[in-house]
Amino acid sequence: AQSVAQPEDQVNVAEGNPLTVKCTYSVSGNPYLFWYVQYPNRGLQFLLKYITGDNLVKGSYGFEAEFNKSQTSFHLKKPSALVSDSALYFCAVRDTTDSWGKLQFGAGTQVVVTP
Amino acid sequence: DVKVTQSSRYLVKRTGEKVFLECVQDMDHENMFWYRQDPGLGLRLIYFSYDVKMKEKGDIPEGYSVSREKKERFSLILESASTNQTSMYLCASSLSGVYQPQHFGDGTRLSIL
Repeated sequence: AQSVAQPEDQVNVAEGNPLTVKCTYSVSGNPYLFWYVQYPNRGLQFLLKYITGDNLVKGSYGFEAEFNKSQTSFHLKKPSALVSDSALYFCAVRDTTDSWGKLQFGAGTQVVVTP
Repeated sequence: DVKVTQSSRYLVKRTGEKVFLECVQDMDHENMFWYRQDPGLGLRLIYFSYDVKMKEKGDIPEGYSVSREKKERFSLILESASTNQTSMYLCASSLSGVYQPQHFGDGTRLSIL
């Protein structure tokens, strides 16, 4: 069975500083990995995905994520955080051996960016 | 852009009522999903559908059923609502293919009194 862990319930960062949101995963086969963001009273928005290839994936709004197979991690990063990046972030994994391709979501990490 | 529309943003129902949550997508996606979101638990899959009239149970199907009579519409049904079904419900759709991202509606916050 697949699982995702987001070890931090909340990340606090000052505007202009680098932002990192951590994610580790467990799958039987190879992983497809996704990051989503949720703003207040809205649904989830897709940010980026890792399928195969380059370990550094670039996505929307200046976000990127680094896939590390040996550490089974897929941390989300942004070089310079904005106050508008304050939101709830979800990591999700899909196991390539799962024929239905169901997504398993982490519990979410609340990001708070202070001016 | 993909548009996934959920019929209600907020809904208040009483225990024992039959509750219908509706979801419509406009991008001809094959797959549709219903999740519930609870603080600290992330998103949990209730049911999904990969084609018209086809459905598969997710991780927490008990107390729920679904209907997909048309490709663009996926309905979630609470057969007899209970207070522990108070939650945020999110609908999503995607193209077929395990690498395709899911696109979400804005959610329905359902309160069962």
